[in-house]
Amino acid sequence: QKEVEQNSGPLSVPEGAIASLNCTYSDRGSQSFFWYRQYSGKSPELIMSIYSNGDKEDGRFTAQLNKASQYVSLLIRDSQPSDSATYLCAVNKAAGNKLTFGGGTRVLVKP
Amino acid sequence: GAVVSQHPSWVICKSGTSVKIECRSLDFQATTMFWYRQFPKQSLMLMATSNEGSKATYEQGVEKDKFLINHASLTLSTLTVTSAHPEDSSFYICSFIAGDGTDTQYFGPGTRLTVL
Repeated sequence: QKEVEQNSGPLSVPEGAIASLNCTYSDRGSQSFFWYRQYSGKSPELIMSIYSNGDKEDGRFTAQLNKASQYVSLLIRDSQPSDSATYLCAVNKAAGNKLTFGGGTRVLVKP
Repeated sequence: GAVVSQHPSWVICKSGTSVKIECRSLDFQATTMFWYRQFPKQSLMLMATSNEGSKATYEQGVEKDKFLINHASLTLSTLTVTSAHPEDSSFYICSFIAGDGTDTQYFGPGTRLTVL
């Protein structure tokens, strides 16, 4: 079992719809959770971090964390073609420790 | 978010030569930073973790004598790929922990290395 798992996609979403991305992790002691967006040929850019159970909203993005189920998700509302990218879920076991990345989910937003 | 620069953004070199990649944090100081490698259509693979003033900790399977890391200061780290070979061609990305009280990592723009 991989430490952090994501569906590779591609997840095809019509423009204006909600894109829902899922991520599961194996280490129950994980403390910090991150979503990064990576465009082709570019480095990852941080979308959001989440540390506590529940929802966290930032603009069109909402992260959801459920530590009991070892599950973290990302919702993208009003999807735009510019949201087409690979979304990486990353998990940190302890502060200052190294991130473990999932394989990423490729999202395609079609006009 | 924090700003991280990398130089060069791309480099092409001959097999057997060495290449140095610089990574700088521009608006914060960081005691811990990371070097990653990413092959096409794959996720990021952590190569090593370095702390300012001490030796880097390498991940399993990463040759420390081939990938030399120098964390010279709180704002500068370098990765030298020694005696590069075509299989070292990859996208190399550094990241810093922000130093804002969180453990958020901010990534540099990456360096694409092509070894002929």
